[in-house]
Amino acid sequence: LAKTTQPISMDSYEGQEVNITCSHNNIATNDYITWYQQFPSQGPRFIIQGYKTKVTNEVASLFIPADRKSSTLSLPRVSLSDTAVYYCLVGDINTNAGKSTFGDGTTLTVKP
Amino acid sequence: EAGVAQSPRYKIIEKRQSVAFWCNPISGHATLYWYQQILGQGPKLLIQFQNNGVVDDSQLPKDRFSAERLKGVDSTLKIQPAKLEDSAVYLCASSLKRGTAAYEQYFGPGTRLTVT
Repeated sequence: LAKTTQPISMDSYEGQEVNITCSHNNIATNDYITWYQQFPSQGPRFIIQGYKTKVTNEVASLFIPADRKSSTLSLPRVSLSDTAVYYCLVGDINTNAGKSTFGDGTTLTVKP
Repeated sequence: EAGVAQSPRYKIIEKRQSVAFWCNPISGHATLYWYQQILGQGPKLLIQFQNNGVVDDSQLPKDRFSAERLKGVDSTLKIQPAKLEDSAVYLCASSLKRGTAAYEQYFGPGTRLTVT
């Protein structure tokens, strides 16, 4: 089971780019990296998933170095509405092998 | 596409009472998960169903918690008897494909349980 480590909290200002890093030193060969966003009083929402190098969608980018022992979620030009908790998960999506566990996440606060 | 539905949204009970939560996943989603989220912590997986079979219930406190997913669609999570430490938000999620909880999941709004 790959354990993940994220900063507890981060502050940013509107319009800035925010990078949240997740450490997963014991990631397995078949593990994927997934990020979720959670607003207060809501369930988590899938943001992005990747295996290696770079993945980009309409809301974020995910950077994964060659050794895959860490990953960085990049949010371009954040707004106040991006204030939320962000979770990094690592796990094998193809089989029932192992488990994927939510850590305590990173609380991002965007200020005006 | 309708999302994951959960009810009730809020529940307050006294310790030693019983409570049940209901979840209706997204249509066609084979996998259903129940999580417990204590304030300030990330969601903790309690149980995972694949259709109507249990895939993983290793973190379910089986002496007081039970869950079922009849006919592979709706699911019910029950706590009997409740303890103060069960106060949390109970989240239901579903995913289209088989696999571990690493696969993309769609979460419901949760049920906030307060045990007094």
